[in-house]
Amino acid sequence: EAGVAQSPRYKIIEKRQSVAFWCNPISGHATLYWYQQILGQGPKLLIQFQNNGVVDDSQLPKDRFSAERLKGVDSTLKIQPAKLEDSAVYLCASSFWGRKLFFGSGTQLSVL
Amino acid sequence: AQSVTQPDIHITVSEGASLELRCNYSYGATPYLFWYVQSPGQGLQLLLKYFSGDTLVQGIKGFEAEFKRSQSSFNLRKPSVHWSDAAEYFCAVASGRGYQKVTFGTGTKLQVIP
Repeated sequence: EAGVAQSPRYKIIEKRQSVAFWCNPISGHATLYWYQQILGQGPKLLIQFQNNGVVDDSQLPKDRFSAERLKGVDSTLKIQPAKLEDSAVYLCASSFWGRKLFFGSGTQLSVL
Repeated sequence: AQSVTQPDIHITVSEGASLELRCNYSYGATPYLFWYVQSPGQGLQLLLKYFSGDTLVQGIKGFEAEFKRSQSSFNLRKPSVHWSDAAEYFCAVASGRGYQKVTFGTGTKLQVIP
């Protein structure tokens, strides 16, 4: 069974630039999550989708972050414009019906 | 709101010694609890989970955890640590409708010395 796919693996940008991350969940998983993990901290939920609808985006900085899951399958997370404090690993996870999450390897973002 | 506290940021143990990582949670209803492990440069892998039933749950790689409702704790244990167990460990609680919202603690970094 294929796992959660994320790309790119690494990204380096300058502040005020834009960046996008892509995630393809495990086939059949209706729930998709984006987490932000800053160095030395636990993952923080940014947004949670159920199919193509948003369940929870209470911690998403909506002035600069956006995410979509148009067809209820893969998802894109965008940051525009990026700030230095956005440097983190962005983790995508999926689940069939909550509870047990399967994580991708993450995208490590460095904002210079 | 739900929350998870992992009071130990960093723990060092000798190979072969026993291990206990602490986790305390805050949630008004019956919690669903997890332990995940993250090796350097890797995503998070589920070690074990507690949903209901027996309060002592077994996981992969020889880990176990005990749910204690009276103490709001879900501590992770291993009787004999291997060098390959060096990683960061995260406790998490699931809450909300369908228990789909998963909140993580800040993690405990485990170092294993020969």
